[in-house]
Amino acid sequence: AQTVTQSQPEMSVQEAETVTLSCTYDTSESDYYLFWYKQPPSRQMILVIRQEAYKQQNATENRFSVNFQKAAKSFSLKISDSQLGDAAMYFCAYRSAYQAGTALIFGKGTTLSVSS
Amino acid sequence: KAGVTQTPRYLIKTRGQQVTLSCSPISGHRSVSWYQQTPGQGLQFLFEYFSETQRNKGNFPGRFSGRQFSNSRSEMNVSTLELGDSALYLCASSLLNDGHQETQYFGPGTRLLVL
Repeated sequence: AQTVTQSQPEMSVQEAETVTLSCTYDTSESDYYLFWYKQPPSRQMILVIRQEAYKQQNATENRFSVNFQKAAKSFSLKISDSQLGDAAMYFCAYRSAYQAGTALIFGKGTTLSVSS
Repeated sequence: KAGVTQTPRYLIKTRGQQVTLSCSPISGHRSVSWYQQTPGQGLQFLFEYFSETQRNKGNFPGRFSGRQFSNSRSEMNVSTLELGDSALYLCASSLLNDGHQETQYFGPGTRLLVL
């Protein structure tokens, strides 16, 4: 079975600074998707970024980028120029690409606080 | 395009009762998944529906059930509620692309409190 581990329960960053959230996963599959979701206090789960395992190029979305290391099974999220609105819980998630209807497997989350 | 909507947003029930939660996916999305979020267990997958068929199910007791209608709207039902069922229930919808599920987009959730 696949597992996702986020080893940092809490992180903090100053406004305008850069922070990196860690995620590792375990799988025997070669084709899968990885995601970062953000859950602010409103509890609405918002997609931040997505990475297909077959793509070597790291995904980027504005201030958000990932460092995808397939061999190491590592998928970290870098937030540049942090803003107060980035404060939230961040979840790393895995989904197999082999079967339709497969579930997202989530890590336990990292709570990010941003100070001014 | 409107996002995923869930009703009700908040619900208080007592042990032994049953509850039905509703989810309307993004227009054009045909796959709906349900997740339970609790502080202790985190986010756990309940089930996934596509074209009114349950394709995948998580490790939850039979008290948890769901269905999907022809317009892709989905409901989940929990019977004989227990205190441990108190949680945030999240619904997510996605398109299908070449038989694979696309990215899941989440609704705001229904917060269920069982007393």
